[in-house]
Amino acid sequence: DARVTQTPRHKVTEMGQEVTMRCQPILGHNTVFWYRQTMMQGLELLAYFRNRAPLDDSGMPKDRFSAEMPDATLATLKIQPSEPRDSAVYFCASGQQGDTQYFGPGTRLTVL
Amino acid sequence: SQQGEEDPQALSIQEGENATMNCSYKTSINNLQWYRQNSGRGLVHLILIRSNEREKHSGRLRVTLDTSKKSSSLLITASRAADTASYFCATDISNDYKLSFGAGTTVTVRA
Repeated sequence: DARVTQTPRHKVTEMGQEVTMRCQPILGHNTVFWYRQTMMQGLELLAYFRNRAPLDDSGMPKDRFSAEMPDATLATLKIQPSEPRDSAVYFCASGQQGDTQYFGPGTRLTVL
Repeated sequence: SQQGEEDPQALSIQEGENATMNCSYKTSINNLQWYRQNSGRGLVHLILIRSNEREKHSGRLRVTLDTSKKSSSLLITASRAADTASYFCATDISNDYKLSFGAGTTVTVRA
């Protein structure tokens, strides 16, 4: 049963620290998405990749967030420096073009 | 900004009853999808309906799409306690397969 995996599942850090979240998409999926979910804003698309190339990162604060896909089995989302307002659940999802998206379990980030 | 808006925001029903929730959107779509999220979990895809389809079924789920009204509905029949979750509609409006999610409907099924 193929699944999207994310690590860590929970992260508590202090303001100003660097945070790196990792995602392993489902093998064979060519599109990877990063979302952020908060009570206030709901589910927001931060960035997405197709065939490892970034297609759209307009939803991401560029000054502190960066997203990469070093290879087909790994996507990373980095926040540097982190701020309390970044506290949220971050989801990775993968899919094929025109197909549904398969979500990971999320990383719950708390920035103190 | 969110493309889709679900209605109602919250719904509480008795086990065995049907649950209906609606989604309205603003611009033309390629397809509309419904997802479920259990508390503390990721989203799970339920059903996809394309813009040229009007109705789709999957088990106890029935989805309708009215493109003239820019709206969709999700019906869960004979609800169970396990159906307690938040339900989101998501619209694909571009050819890039990005999805825009609504705020969700929280469904509580009472035993």
